[in-house]
Parts: sequence; structure tokens; C-alpha cells
Amino acid sequence: GESVGLHLPTLSVQEGDNSIINCAYSNSASDYFIWYKQESGKGPQFIIDIRSNMDKRQGQRVTVLLNKTVKHLSLQIAATQPGDSAVYFCAENTGGFKTIFGAGTRLFVKA
Amino acid sequence: DTGVSQNPRHKITKRGQNVTFRCDPISEHNRLYWYRQTLGQGPEFLTYFQNEAQLEKSRLLSDRFSAERPKGSFSTLEIQRTEQGDSAMYLCASSPLSGAGMNTEAFFGQGTRLTVV
Repeated sequence: GESVGLHLPTLSVQEGDNSIINCAYSNSASDYFIWYKQESGKGPQFIIDIRSNMDKRQGQRVTVLLNKTVKHLSLQIAATQPGDSAVYFCAENTGGFKTIFGAGTRLFVKA
Repeated sequence: DTGVSQNPRHKITKRGQNVTFRCDPISEHNRLYWYRQTLGQGPEFLTYFQNEAQLEKSRLLSDRFSAERPKGSFSTLEIQRTEQGDSAMYLCASSPLSGAGMNTEAFFGQGTRLTVV
């Protein structure tokens, strides 16, 4: 069945270092992928997205990489800051309206 | 604030009572979604509206759950005869329908946290 999962439930990084959060998806028909950030007590916040016709997309301090061959998605955060501490979800969409979320990775940034 | 608005933010209710949540999406967004999120998990899809039409309901949405979007603007989610297992964060999101019919990111509200005691 469809599933989106994450390799690591928790990631701890030093302030200023780069963070890499990984995600595996199982539905090869997925054509749109989104990374969301969720802080405690808040709804998920859009970070960056990528469509299946691309393998890399960059935003401000964030980069998403998509490897369709192994069905792997990653989020790279450059110069991680304390404000980046949150739970990060990858999500996939198969061309319909329904977005499927993974369980999330909690990022801790140590000062 | 022109984002997605949800009310109330918190609701505590006794088992067996009915509760209703409201979602006001971003005004120009014609797609509206309801999700449920339990602690430590990602949001789970419940239902979807395009304008006033409810186009899909998840099997997670039992007969006790009903959602409406009567005028294609705000939406309500009602849970009848609440059970302790209904305790969760209920998230609403909205997105525009792009001209090319492609999916775009959903914008989430702050959620309504329901506690059934």
C-alpha cells in the first residue's frame, strides 16, 4: 500500500552545522512531494516542494533532493539554527488531492 | 491574519457528547481538507472538499463524523457521541486549484485539540 516513512525519528545537530533529514516512499506513482515543518502546538508549515520531473530544488537555506530510482527524498538545511528545531514531515501526492504524510523526524538543534 | 483559521483551539468534552469544529480557509482557496493528528504521528487524511462538494472521505471517518462546507467557504467538522479514541488534533488545510490542475501545497491552520474525558 501507499506509505511514506522516515529513516530516523530523531536528529540532533550542532547550531551552524548542516542537517539532512531523509524520507523513503513506496508509491512509485507519486509525482509531488512536500516537506513540512511543525512546531509544538502549531499546524504543519510548508517548507519546500518538488515535482517528480525534477531531482533537486533549492530554497532559502533548504534543498530538497528526489531520487526516484530508490524512492528516496531528503531535506537539507544549511547552517541550522535553533529556530529550526521542530518535527519535519515529508509528504507525497499521487496526482490526486490526497497528501499522505510520514511519521516525522524531530530535529534538535544544540546551541 | 489571512491564513487558515480554526476554532476553537482547544476543546475538552465528556465522552458521549457532540462537538463541532470550524475552519475558515484562505479566501481564494477552493480546496479544503480535514486531517487528524495524534501524538508522534503525521497528519492522517479525513476528508476533502472542492468548493462545496465533498469528494472523498477516508475510511477513518466513521458514521459519527460528518463534515460540511455549505457555501464553499468555511467548513465544519462534527463528531457525534465522542469516544476517548477521538482525542487528537484536528487540522484543517486549504489550497488553491492551479490553472493547470496541478497540486500545490496545502496551508494548514493551527488545529483544534480535542480531549475526550
